Amino acid sequence: DTAVSQTPKYLVTQMGNDKSIKCEQNLGHDTMYWYKQDSKKFLKIMFSYNNKELIINETVPNRFSPKSPDKAHLNLHINSLELGDSAVYFCASSPMVSGGETQYFGPGTRLLVL
Amino acid sequence: AQTVTQSQPEMSVQEAETVTLSCTYDTSESDYYLFWYKQPPSRQMILVIRQEAYKQQNATENRFSVNFQKAAKSFSLKISDSQLGDAAMYFCAYRSFFGNEKLTFGTGTRLTIIP
Repeated sequence: DTAVSQTPKYLVTQMGNDKSIKCEQNLGHDTMYWYKQDSKKFLKIMFSYNNKELIINETVPNRFSPKSPDKAHLNLHINSLELGDSAVYFCASSPMVSGGETQYFGPGTRLLVL
Repeated sequence: AQTVTQSQPEMSVQEAETVTLSCTYDTSESDYYLFWYKQPPSRQMILVIRQEAYKQQNATENRFSVNFQKAAKSFSLKISDSQLGDAAMYFCAYRSFFGNEKLTFGTGTRLTIIP
C-alpha cells in the first residue's frame, strides 16, 4: 500500500486556470505538509497542517489555498495559475509536530503552466 | 532562520568506490535533527539517514554513514561501495526540535556513478 499518495502525478494547464492537487496518507500521521520544488530542484515548505489545523504558512500567495478535510488528507487548490507556478509539488506527512520525526514524501505532482 | 548549504552541485564516483557529500548549516539552536534525502530520477524523496544533534555518535545505515561535527555545523554523507542505484540528487535537510517542524533543505548535490 502506498504510504503517501498524490493525484494527479502530472498536470498541464493554461495560465489563469484553477487546479487542485490531492494528497492522502495512510500512515496515521498527525501532520501533513506541502513543499514546492522549483526548476533548479530547490525544495521549500509552503504549508503545514497538524490535525486539520494550519500551523505553517510560508509567505505563499493567496492564490494557493490548502484544505484539510481530515488528518489523512491535505489538498492544495491553486487559483489563477501563473507561469511561475510550474514546479513539482510534494506532499509529506510525519507522526507529530515536534520531536524531529521523519517526514515521508509522496511521489510529487509535476505542474506545468502554459 | 536556519540555512543549509551544499557546496557541491555535482559529484561523480566510480562504481564500488567511496564518495563524501558535504553539508553545512547555520543555526542558533542546540537541539535539532539533520537528514539526508535521496531523489532518484523517479523524483520520489527517499530518506537515507537521520541524525539527532544531541547524539554524538554518527548515524549509519548500511553503506551510508554521516560525519556529524556539531561545533563546526557540518553534516557530511559518506557512501561506501557506490552502486549504480545510488545515482540521484542528494539533499541535506535541517529540522528544529521545537516549534514549527518544517524541513529546511540545501540546494542538493547530483551524484553520478561511473560504471
